[in-house]
Amino acid sequence: QVQLVQSGAEVKKPGASVKVSCKASGYRFIGYYIHWVRQAPGQGLEWLAWINPDGGDTKSAQKFQGRVTMTRDTSIYTAYMELSGLRSDDTAVYYCARVFRGVLMDVWGQGTTVTVSS
Amino acid sequence: QSALTQPASVSGSPGQSITLSCTGTSSDVGSSEFVSWYQQHPGKAPKLMIYEGSQRPSGVSSRFSGSKSGNTASLTVSGLQAEDEADYYCFSYAGGSTWVFGGGTKLTVL
Repeated sequence: QVQLVQSGAEVKKPGASVKVSCKASGYRFIGYYIHWVRQAPGQGLEWLAWINPDGGDTKSAQKFQGRVTMTRDTSIYTAYMELSGLRSDDTAVYYCARVFRGVLMDVWGQGTTVTVSS
Repeated sequence: QSALTQPASVSGSPGQSITLSCTGTSSDVGSSEFVSWYQQHPGKAPKLMIYEGSQRPSGVSSRFSGSKSGNTASLTVSGLQAEDEADYYCFSYAGGSTWVFGGGTKLTVL
């Protein structure tokens, strides 16, 4: 079945970087964009960025420009989101989601908890 | 890009109908055909409920419906059921290839 499986929880120190992976299965990986979304504890959803697995083009929210990098490895059907210069307020669950027809997120990963703490 | 505005909480009794609002600007909700709504239960990933303003994915109950007027999108849940208790988020194209979520509404079924 169609699914996205994300990498495991991470604990990082302030100033470090984290790279979260999102492995797709059950569909043509390069046919659908991937959105990255996060949710801080007790807070709402926040859109970070998208990547086009086919061409590799990306776009991020202005808030994260310069700090977030999206890449992909089409040979293993995996998208990556790397966030640098981590701060305590980056502590959140990070989700990847498949973008269907370019406008809706129909399949979500299970989420990756990133904890930033000294 | 500021988050879209949603009421923090809404409540209703079983069987009632409630409407959740999502207010943006002419740069996002007002000019976007691509407003979607997501339901999230505690500890779970979000689930798509409505897309393109009023379209319902297969498998989503017909009790859920969406609409838009000007800069405000709305999600109506009719015949409230206990299982509808969750957080609901709107999501809109915001121009410049960017997207934005609403702050979320906690729906409580009394």
